[in-house]
Amino acid sequence: QSVLTQPPSVSGAPGQRVTISCTGSSSNIGAGYDVNWYQQLPGTAPRPLISGDNNRPSGVPDRFSGSKSGTSASLAITGLQAEDEANYYCQSYDRSLSGSVFGGGTKLTVL
Amino acid sequence: QLQLQESGPGLVKPSETLSLTCTVSGGSISNSHYYWGWIRQPPGKGLEWIGTIYYTGNTYYDPSLKSRVSMSVDTSKKQFSLNLRSVTAADTAVYYCARHTKSRGGYNYEYWGQGISVTVSS
Repeated sequence: QSVLTQPPSVSGAPGQRVTISCTGSSSNIGAGYDVNWYQQLPGTAPRPLISGDNNRPSGVPDRFSGSKSGTSASLAITGLQAEDEANYYCQSYDRSLSGSVFGGGTKLTVL
Repeated sequence: QLQLQESGPGLVKPSETLSLTCTVSGGSISNSHYYWGWIRQPPGKGLEWIGTIYYTGNTYYDPSLKSRVSMSVDTSKKQFSLNLRSVTAADTAVYYCARHTKSRGGYNYEYWGQGISVTVSS
């Protein structure tokens, strides 16, 4: 059971917009710690996608955006493309554990 | 461009110690802005934080693994290592090393190794 909760799967057609939620608690997201998002293609290492709630590292398309409110965060992907099909993970810091916590991951299927 | 590379045995027997090393290239392991972490991913499952080490040797471990984990750093070799004792099949996973920042906002993993698959089996 992951500390951060994500839906197991989401799907959308090419060109559509999808969102992936990440729900935490008052000891992590709700405490104001940053939420970071990673994209993982099959058989590869996670790739940083969003840092500090809503900042894109160099090279990440602006179709990806992040937001946070209260104890939850969301990743939005607009203009879905086939290459976006992957697993997505949220991550934050938990003050009770004094370390990183991850979501269980969400598999995005592009229909 | 910073690169991290995990190395170690791909097969470990139950009750033995899993030992992995991460070699850093293209940057300094002694940079005071960065921390070095281990994360694992069991087959078909999500990411799990194992722990973090600073170049001074300060360590932070996941509470559920703390009794079995130790990490060390060798700045002269630009390497940091993970030891996980008394392994069971539940420790079978792909193990990643990563560089992250540590700030008031928490940890942010900027660079990841490619990962190394470790199976615990007799």
